Formats: sequence, C-alpha cells, structure tokens
Amino acid sequence: QVQLQQWGAGLLKPSETLSLTCAVYGGSFSGYYWSWIRQPPGKGLEWIGEINHSGSTNYNPSLKSRVTISVDTSKKQFFLKVRPVTAADTAVYYCARGRIDGYYPLDFWGQGALVTVSS
Amino acid sequence: EIVLTQSPGTLSLSPGERATLSCRASQSVSSSYLAWYQQIPGQAPRLLIYGASRRATGIPDRFSGSGSGTDFTLTISRLEAEDFAVYYCQHYGSSLYTFGQGTKLEIK
Repeated sequence: QVQLQQWGAGLLKPSETLSLTCAVYGGSFSGYYWSWIRQPPGKGLEWIGEINHSGSTNYNPSLKSRVTISVDTSKKQFFLKVRPVTAADTAVYYCARGRIDGYYPLDFWGQGALVTVSS
Repeated sequence: EIVLTQSPGTLSLSPGERATLSCRASQSVSSSYLAWYQQIPGQAPRLLIYGASRRATGIPDRFSGSGSGTDFTLTISRLEAEDFAVYYCQHYGSSLYTFGQGTKLEIK
C-alpha cells in the first residue's frame, strides 16, 4: 500500500520561505509524477506543480515564479519551496501521487499540512 | 487552460436518495483525463472516479461516472451517511491539473 507522509514548518511570516517534504512509502517511486496541491481555508483545491524521479517538473503558471519542486529519489522524497510567502499562501498543502503512462489521476494523497502565514 | 464549472454549488438530499453532480468543461476534453474526488472535512481528497467512468480501487459501486466532451456527471445511486461531503472534478491536460470549484452534498 502506498503511503505519503508530509511535514514542514507550519507558521511563517510574510516574505519567508515555505518548505515542505513528502516521503513516499510502499510502491514504486520511479515512473510516476508527484504533485503538490493546496487548499486555502474554506476554499477549493489548487494544483501547484509536479515532478518525476528524474527531476522533470511542471508548474501551475499562476505560481511558477515563486515555486520550486525538487526530488531525492534515493530517499523517495520530494520537496516544495514557495518564496516569498504572503498571507494568500495560507492553506493546507497536500502531496499526491500523479500520472504515469496514460494514467492521470491523483490516487494517493498525504495527510495534509496546514501552513499559516501571519506577521 | 481548461476551466471546470461544477453544479450545483450545494445539493441537499436525504439518505437513500440519488445524487447527480455535474462538471462542465470550458472546451471539449478527453474522458481519459477527467477524474472525481470526494473530500470529507478535515481529510485529504479521495479519488473516486478516473477516466470519467472508472471506479478507483475500493470505491463502492453506488458511485458512477459518465459523460464526454464538455459534460460529465458523477452519480451516487443511493446516498449513505458517509457520502455527505464535498466533491471535485479534475482535469489533466497541457502539463496542468485543474479542479472544479466543488459541489457540497449536504443532508436535507
């Protein structure tokens, strides 16, 4: 069974850098794309971007200038950085397993991590 | 960029009733790229349907998906208490995932 566990700092000040880690347990890491998604309080889901095991990335154009997604295949982990943050980045951040070879849904999700940006 | 519009925004039904949720795309999309998720408050979304009509592993057969082109539907044949949640449709295309704004299914 595939499990994703995520962690990172939960309280940031404006202009700081958001950093989250997602570790993958079980299943294959290679071949899949791995995504980050966020959800502001009381609102809907927004896809942030994705990465595969070789470091190939795609980003949401609305966030691309501030987001970096990276990977450590040896540890089966991938990472999210958003800089600089503002109050609008306050959200629950999720990691998820995404597409592979013609299969496109986000089928396994992390538990979510609330990140609050406040001065 | 594909825009997904879900309707209704809120659906009030009773257990045992049938629920029909709609997702309309701003332009025609391949069914292969259309999925539905359920989100219970405080939990991560759960994949229900992918490829517009294929149930994900472990999803009860009271959940079904249909549609093509620009119009897609998620149907829950007989609502159970645990089905009251928020439902999102999602599309993948042009190296980008997009989500609808969600339909809240509440107990009447």
